[in-house]
Amino acid sequence: DGGITQSPKYLFRKEGQNVTLSCEQNLNHDAMYWYRQDPGQGLRLIYYSQIVNDFQKGDIAEGYSVSREKKESFPLTVTSAQKNPTAFYLCASSQQGWDGYTFGSGTRLTVV
Amino acid sequence: DAKTTQPPSMDCAEGRAANLPCNHSTISGNEYVYWYRQIHSQGPQYIIHGLKNNETNEMASLIITEDRKSSTLILPHATLRDTAVYYCIVRAYNAGNMLTFGGGTRLMVKP
Repeated sequence: DGGITQSPKYLFRKEGQNVTLSCEQNLNHDAMYWYRQDPGQGLRLIYYSQIVNDFQKGDIAEGYSVSREKKESFPLTVTSAQKNPTAFYLCASSQQGWDGYTFGSGTRLTVV
Repeated sequence: DAKTTQPPSMDCAEGRAANLPCNHSTISGNEYVYWYRQIHSQGPQYIIHGLKNNETNEMASLIITEDRKSSTLILPHATLRDTAVYYCIVRAYNAGNMLTFGGGTRLMVKP
C-alpha cells in the first residue's frame, strides 16, 4: 500500500544533541512538508519542499534543517539550536494539482 | 488564507449526527473549504472539501452557506471512532502552498 512512513514513532535524545527524523513516501508525490504539533495545539509548518533539491522555510524553521535529495525522502534534523524541541512531528506529502495532503503517523520527540 | 473560527469542543451521542460548524467570513471567491481530522497521536486525515456546492462522500457531508461565509461538516451516524479533533481550513485550490491548521474542534462521541 502507498503511504508515508515516519520513523521512529518515539525518540528520546539528550539536550544539546542533534537528531534526524525520517520521512519516506512511496506515493510519487512532488511536495513534502514537516509540521510540529505541541500538546493541545494545531500544526505549525517547519519546512516544505515542492521539488527535489529545493525547499523553503515555514513559519518556525529556526533550529531545524532539511534536505530533499530524493523525491521519496525528506528528513528533518532537529539541531541543538532549537530551544524547545520536545514535540510531535508530522510529515506530509501532496501531489501538484491536488491539495489533499497525506500525513504520516508522526514521531514523538522527547529531549531530556 | 482566510481565517476560520471553530468551537473548541463538542459532544455527540453515538449513532446521532455530528454537525461541526466553521465560520470563514473573509473567504474569497477562489478559496475552497477543506476538512481534516486528527485522531489522538496520529497524523491528520483528509475528509472532504468544497467550493460552493454541497459535497458528500463516504465519510461525511459538507454544507456551505450560499454566501460562503460559513460551513458545516456532518458526520451522519457518529461512532466512538469518530472522536477526534476536526480542522476546518480555507485556502485557494492548488495555491502551491502549505495548509495552515488552527486549533480545530475536539469532538467527543459518547456512548
